[in-house]
Amino acid sequence: EVQLLESGGGLVQPGGSLRLSCVASGLPFNNYAMTWVRQAPGKGLEWVSTISGTADSTRYADSVKGRFTISRDNSQNTLDLQMSRLRAEDTAVYYCAKNFDHGGNTELDSWGQGTLVTVSS
Amino acid sequence: EIVMTQSPATLSVSPGERATLSCRASQSVSSNLAWYQQKPGQGPRLLIYGASTRATGIPARFSGSGSGTQFTFTISNLQSEDFAVYYCQQYNNWPPTFGPGAKVDV
Repeated sequence: EVQLLESGGGLVQPGGSLRLSCVASGLPFNNYAMTWVRQAPGKGLEWVSTISGTADSTRYADSVKGRFTISRDNSQNTLDLQMSRLRAEDTAVYYCAKNFDHGGNTELDSWGQGTLVTVSS
Repeated sequence: EIVMTQSPATLSVSPGERATLSCRASQSVSSNLAWYQQKPGQGPRLLIYGASTRATGIPARFSGSGSGTQFTFTISNLQSEDFAVYYCQQYNNWPPTFGPGAKVDV
């Protein structure tokens, strides 16, 4: 069974930085692209970023491009999201999700429970 | 980017009844359409991909159909555990985009 466990959320001031992590188990991690999706309080789902299985391809939503960096360590089965220059509108629960294959734009067939990021002074 | 819309926003049904949700894409997404279920405090769960294929372990009462720009999701014989919010998502084009969600409640 695939398990994804996010961590690193918390309260941060506007303009600050935060690093989210996701540990994966129960799968050959490097075979799959991985994705971050966020959900603002009471709102719907918003795709944030995707990284290919071999980390040679990354994609970002326009809303986070230039501020967020996705990365992965296939030797540790971990996925990270480095967030900088945070804004109030980045406040959300951030979910780590597994893509169906190694490439990128696919359905998301496993999700974590999420970690809450609050950007406020 | 492709805009996804869902209707209705809220659907009130009783256990044992059928619930039908619609999803529309602003341009064709072929059959690259998924449906997810989300319950309060939980991450989403994949139910349907490829517009009509049930994900592993998903009961047969969940079904999907459609292609291009119009899609339908149906829950037949609604169970108490099916009351949740349902999202459609296209993955035909970058960026992948989600519909606003549809709440199925009693």
